[in-house]
Amino acid sequence: AQSVTQLDSQVPVFEEAPVELRCNYSSSVSVYLFWYVQYPNQGLQLLLKYLSGSTLVKGINGFEAEFNKSQTSFHLRKPSVHISDTAEYFCAVARSQGNLIFGKGTKLSVKP
Amino acid sequence: DAGVIQSPRHEVTEMGQEVTLRCKPISGHNSLFWYRQTMMRGLELLIYFNNNVPIDDSGMPEDRFSAKMPNASFSTLKIQPSEPRDSAVYFCASSEQGPPYEQYFGPGTRLTVT
Repeated sequence: AQSVTQLDSQVPVFEEAPVELRCNYSSSVSVYLFWYVQYPNQGLQLLLKYLSGSTLVKGINGFEAEFNKSQTSFHLRKPSVHISDTAEYFCAVARSQGNLIFGKGTKLSVKP
Repeated sequence: DAGVIQSPRHEVTEMGQEVTLRCKPISGHNSLFWYRQTMMRGLELLIYFNNNVPIDDSGMPEDRFSAKMPNASFSTLKIQPSEPRDSAVYFCASSEQGPPYEQYFGPGTRLTVT
């Protein structure tokens, strides 16, 4: 069965610092992986996705993620964060049945 | 496209009342999902439909919850009777049928049961 583990529930970071949000998945089949962002009082918004091909995926707002099959990881990174990046981030893997399995989320808090 | 539309955006009701949440998926999307989000339990999948047919309702917490999708452009989630512990944000999401299964979320309905 597929599952997603987000290793950090909260990540505090100072503005303009780099950040990495960690995600590990388990899947015995080909994977489609996603990162979603949820700003306060809003719905989830797709940040980026890995379907196939290049293991480095670029998304919106300067975020990128790297798919690592051997380590079953899909970590999200940004070289320099802004206050506006404060949000909750969810990693997800697609199931063959057609739904997504979400991690429990990581709350990114960017401080001035 | 207008995206996934949910109504109402906020609902305040008294315990014991019936609550109906509504969702209009993105046109052309064949799959529809209902989620609930709370501080304590995080994001939970309640039920999902493919081509208007419920596929998995194992996440529906109790018989008080029911969901329908009478056509491809409309779905409802009903709670009857409502209880204070049902207070949460309820999200609807839709996707095209077939891989990669990426979902598009609505803005949510914030339900408060007093």
